[in-house]
Amino acid sequence: SAVISQKPSRDICQRGTSLTIQCQVDSQVTMMFWYRQQPGQSLTLIATANQGSEATYESGFVIDKFPISRPNLTFSTLTVSNMSPEDSSIYLCSVDTPVPGGNTIYFGEGSWLTVV
Amino acid sequence: GQSLEQPSEVTAVEGAIVQINCTYQTSGFYGLSWYQQHDGGAPTFLSYNGLDGLEETGRFSSFLSRSDSYGYLLLQELQMKDSASYFCAVGRNSGNTPLVFGKGTRLSVIA
Repeated sequence: SAVISQKPSRDICQRGTSLTIQCQVDSQVTMMFWYRQQPGQSLTLIATANQGSEATYESGFVIDKFPISRPNLTFSTLTVSNMSPEDSSIYLCSVDTPVPGGNTIYFGEGSWLTVV
Repeated sequence: GQSLEQPSEVTAVEGAIVQINCTYQTSGFYGLSWYQQHDGGAPTFLSYNGLDGLEETGRFSSFLSRSDSYGYLLLQELQMKDSASYFCAVGRNSGNTPLVFGKGTRLSVIA
């Protein structure tokens, strides 16, 4: 299975600033997904990032707030722009992964962001 | 769209067996996945069921009944380290991935 590394692992950010999260995979993958997990909540898909095309955003998430890059098959970035305390969450990079009988997703270690 | 229901909390005794149920409603079905998440950690993949029946991985097993839109995760010989949140997830109606997640079940293992 792919090894997925995220940076930063944790950060405390000032309100109104932006932060870019990097996701590096040790093998080439077609589909990468960015999820958010707010404190005590489940995981919510932000967007799907395929190499060579613009990211596809889910309802409630917009490119101006969460710009995503996918320059190649092993790397992606998610920027959280103009942060507010409501953006305090775990941000998780994940990749489509084949398993016996189908496909699922594996997650990176996550980036814990606290906005103050 | 998809929706998944699972109990919010379960408590079980060390050494016992616990079953965490998951029911789902989907317009298409592309497999049921289970994840474990410890406090302060990221979700880790546990098991996948693409077809009906039981999948066993050590102390953990997962079951799926597509006709009942139902699955469960079975944890045997519970250990304190199994205390965590467990999420079921299904593929979106456009394919296996990305996944839509349930709200999670917090399992507390007590001595």
